[in-house]
Amino acid sequence: DGGITQSPKYLFRKEGQNVTLSCEQNLNHDAMYWYRQDPGQGLRLIYYSQIVNDFQKGDIAEGYSVSREKKESFPLTVTSAQKNPTAFYLCASNGRRGNQPQHFGDGTRLSIL
Amino acid sequence: GESVGLHLPTLSVQEGDNSIINCAYSNSASDYFIWYKQESGKGPQFIIDIRSNMDKRQGQRVTVLLNKTVKHLSLQIAATQPGDSAVYFCAENAESSASKIIFGSGTRLSIRP
Repeated sequence: DGGITQSPKYLFRKEGQNVTLSCEQNLNHDAMYWYRQDPGQGLRLIYYSQIVNDFQKGDIAEGYSVSREKKESFPLTVTSAQKNPTAFYLCASNGRRGNQPQHFGDGTRLSIL
Repeated sequence: GESVGLHLPTLSVQEGDNSIINCAYSNSASDYFIWYKQESGKGPQFIIDIRSNMDKRQGQRVTVLLNKTVKHLSLQIAATQPGDSAVYFCAENAESSASKIIFGSGTRLSIRP
């Protein structure tokens, strides 16, 4: 089945450590996104990429980095500069043309040790 | 369990009754709207979408109504079932731009047996 796979489901970070969240899609979508979800709030956009080898900052990019070397993959690194990383991270994708709904993965929950 | 959805408004509905979930959107330039369903520990799942040139769209057991005059969106679920228990949130998009998607914080739908 086509879909988006995020891994790991749970991740723990130590102080000063960078961690990388994986997102892979086999939907042949051009655009991919990373969102952060906090209790009682709407999704907030961290980074997005509309084509391979190109990505743009979203509303809360500070302390995060991404790469888009392959169409299928859009990993997110949470760096030590992100002082409040505890959250539920969601990856999404959709086609680039026109209005299309985003398909989401099942998320990674990141916590601080 | 997941902490996503804490402190959200809750709608409690008797099994078999119809549910109506409301959303006030913020951007008068938004021209595309989406409803998502999010179960605990999972990513959002697309339910139905509507474009601004329509005021009503029906799917299987779901109807979305759009009132652009008052910037209001509603999701109606017919004959609510236990499996409908989840957090529901709307999203609005202006100019087909990834950076202009705004997500609501959601409403928790609880089903009484």
